Amino acid sequence: ETGVTQSPTHLIKTRGQQVTLRCSSQSGHNTVSWYQQALGQGPQFIFQYYREEENGRGNFPPRFSGLQFPNYSSELNVNALELDDSALYLCASSSGTDTQYFGPGTRLTVL
Amino acid sequence: LAKTTQPISMDSYEGQEVNITCSHNNIATNDYITWYQQFPSQGPRFIIQGYKTKVTNEVASLFIPADRKSSTLSLPRVSLSDTAVYYCLVGDILLQAFNKFYFGSGTKLNVKP
Repeated sequence: ETGVTQSPTHLIKTRGQQVTLRCSSQSGHNTVSWYQQALGQGPQFIFQYYREEENGRGNFPPRFSGLQFPNYSSELNVNALELDDSALYLCASSSGTDTQYFGPGTRLTVL
Repeated sequence: LAKTTQPISMDSYEGQEVNITCSHNNIATNDYITWYQQFPSQGPRFIIQGYKTKVTNEVASLFIPADRKSSTLSLPRVSLSDTAVYYCLVGDILLQAFNKFYFGSGTKLNVKP
């Protein structure tokens, strides 16, 4: 086990709704990255937070936003959900010279 | 973005050694090579990471030639539970610039009895 936890495990929403996903990083890790993984594809980088600031972003629209808290836990918010947002959302934490360790993911289904 | 190329799929039998090669021609001086294993509907699991030559841990070995333009993940004596997708990533771990890490589609390893 990596020590990275995510909640909820599964979530079902309808188009146009908003969703918040949560991630607790591994102890001692101050960087959190979020990924979207569609079925049958590799994870795609959404954005990364370091010490509460966003410091890297992938090719995702502004309706994907995030926060990192002083304890380094993080949230991913998605507004105006679309059917294509259905995916496994992964959170990964890292620090200093350490690589990323992933959480179990949140499966989001948009109907 | 340091792109990588891996075989889409591989088949093996229980007890065999499996070698998965990843090509990364544009690897930069400060880039490390990291391999992950992923089971369906689970987060990727870190397997091994290296910079050059050979790295070995309790589950795998990683071979990196001198030019570092490729790397080979070696799984000794695979079992059915090793059936998974394996991803090779290349990037600067020290910079923590994960927006520059490219997952690709990975290699789907199918271990048969």
